[in-house]
Amino acid sequence: DTGVSQNPRHKITKRGQNVTFRCDPISEHNRLYWYRQTLGQGPEFLTYFQNEAQLEKSRLLSDRFSAERPKGSFSTLEIQRTEQGDSAMYLCASSLERLRYGYTFGSGTRLTVV
Amino acid sequence: DAKTTQPTSMDCAEGRAANLPCNHSTISGNEYVYWYRQIHSQGPQYIIHGLKNNETNEMASLIITEDRKSSTLILPHATLRDTAVYYCIVRAPWAGANSKLTFGKGITLSVRP
Repeated sequence: DTGVSQNPRHKITKRGQNVTFRCDPISEHNRLYWYRQTLGQGPEFLTYFQNEAQLEKSRLLSDRFSAERPKGSFSTLEIQRTEQGDSAMYLCASSLERLRYGYTFGSGTRLTVV
Repeated sequence: DAKTTQPTSMDCAEGRAANLPCNHSTISGNEYVYWYRQIHSQGPQYIIHGLKNNETNEMASLIITEDRKSSTLILPHATLRDTAVYYCIVRAPWAGANSKLTFGKGITLSVRP
């Protein structure tokens, strides 16, 4: 297992289009997190899963955003009707239930909405 | 989670020690101090964490004051590849319903040749 994998690395889309990102966590990690990061800011929490259950969602996650983690393995983050303000780096991380050993982050998907 | 305060930026010379401070005066007894770094265009990378004793690993050392209200991350021999944003975060290592790490803006370390 080589770590957390995110695809695609870059996505350019026109305003109003839908986009979907995928995250493959470390296989034995049961927790998976999505973060968003804009220029000059630290990552901001969006949502997290324990196995297949989505346990927390940030108020940043508007109704245009939806995340799934079927079967507790990979996860997808979909943004519907994209807006220019959605342009950001979307980061995925995974961890064991005990945070003692920290998160492992992927390299992110950079979304540009034009 | 307790809030942390870090300077905005600092620099150091290549080969010298980089000492990155962090204040966390409201830390509670069960909260650990975690450090992550983010190199440009990559995801954050876990560096080290500690509760109250000083910790060292292959990447860095973490010095936590006796009152636990502040800590210092030490990169003993900084290289140009250590140029990154460093985040200091405090939280309990097990989470229940509240599992997220909360990132601030971090400190930008620039290592100069």
